[in-house]
Amino acid sequence: DAGITQSPRHKVTETGTPVTLRCHQTENHRYMYWYRQDPGHGLRLIHYSYGVKDTDKGEVSDGYSVSRSKTEDFLLTLESATSSQTSVYFCAISSGSYEQYFGPGTRLTVT
Amino acid sequence: ELKVEQNPLFLSMQEGKNYTIYCNYSTTSDRLYWYRQDPGKSLESLFVLLSNGAVKQEGRLMASLDTKARLSTLHITAAVHDLSATYFCAVVGAGGTSYGKLTFGQGTILTVHP
Repeated sequence: DAGITQSPRHKVTETGTPVTLRCHQTENHRYMYWYRQDPGHGLRLIHYSYGVKDTDKGEVSDGYSVSRSKTEDFLLTLESATSSQTSVYFCAISSGSYEQYFGPGTRLTVT
Repeated sequence: ELKVEQNPLFLSMQEGKNYTIYCNYSTTSDRLYWYRQDPGKSLESLFVLLSNGAVKQEGRLMASLDTKARLSTLHITAAVHDLSATYFCAVVGAGGTSYGKLTFGQGTILTVHP
């Protein structure tokens, strides 16, 4: 299995609070991605990174920001969580070849 | 904008039967993926299809790609209960700036009954 961890794995937070999710990889892969999974939508791309300090928006980036200060870590921040951000969040990594590996996921509930 | 559609979204099968899941996409793509997801788990890569006419098989699953029709199929042969899961197709758009970004279909929930 690709070396990807996500933390926390589960989180319950209140509306309006900031939340940061962490993705950590041990594969030294260049590309990292954050997706969210909601019933009926499959997975949708939030933000991605193509190198240290190089990030860009995906399909559903509103309300989210990211940072990547070193190769192994990609942080996703919800500046002010809303109930619509209740979801399962997956991090993925890729070396730029064909495979894209997914982390175990973080289940976030915003009350 | 790249859109990916799967059908059916729900599939209830009897053990031993054959069936096909379809994945259509709307624009030119560099490659197509099939993933499996068990409840509460992450996504497991099944196949990566890179070119027109590509066919890959693993056990009871076979995937194919027709880039001209913008269609991929996942064929299930002689289904067994262990194949019960959600199956996703995902597509990377064409071009050097795609950066491997995946656009997913909605997923097909497959249930195999005795």
